[in-house]
Amino acid sequence: AQTVTQSQPEMSVQEAETVTLSCTYDTSENNYYLFWYKQPPSRQMILVIRQEAYKQQNATENRFSVNFQKAAKSFSLKISDSQLGDTAMYFCAFMKHRVQGGSEKLVFGKGMKLTVNP
Amino acid sequence: NAGVTQTPKFRVLKTGQSMTLLCAQDMNHEYMYWYRQDPGMGLRLIHYSVGEGTTAKGEVPDGYNVSRLKKQNFLLGLESAAPSQTSVYFCASTRYMEEAFFGQGTRLTVV
Repeated sequence: AQTVTQSQPEMSVQEAETVTLSCTYDTSENNYYLFWYKQPPSRQMILVIRQEAYKQQNATENRFSVNFQKAAKSFSLKISDSQLGDTAMYFCAFMKHRVQGGSEKLVFGKGMKLTVNP
Repeated sequence: NAGVTQTPKFRVLKTGQSMTLLCAQDMNHEYMYWYRQDPGMGLRLIHYSVGEGTTAKGEVPDGYNVSRLKKQNFLLGLESAAPSQTSVYFCASTRYMEEAFFGQGTRLTVV
């Protein structure tokens, strides 16, 4: 079974600084997808960034980038120039590549609370 | 575009009562999921469905049942509610490997 581990329950950072959120996962699959979701106090879940395991290039979305280390099964999220609006819970998630007859669970880590201070 | 709609948004149940949570999506998504979110536990998968008429168990299925009779709807049932089922419930839908869209959540309290 796939598992996703976020070992840091909580972090805080000053506005405009850079912060890195860690995520590790355990799978025997070779092809899969990884996601970072953000959940602000409004409770709405928002996709931050996505990475396909077969792509060696790390995904980037504006101030958000990932460091994907497939061999180490590590998928960290870097937030540059942190903003107050980045304050939220952040969840790492895993979905395995579809195989015929397979089922695609979307599995989440326990989350990490990020606070950006002014 | 409504996206994913969960009903109800809030509910208080007495122990032993039953209820059904409805998740509806209008994006023609294949996959639908029910999660529960508890402090310090993240999002735990209850049940999921990869298509109309199919369902499968997730990590914490006990005490819950689901049905997906129509592609756009995914129902989560509690037959006999227990205080341990007090939680915030989220429904999500997605196409394969694309962004998952979430409902606004249902806050359920069992007293």
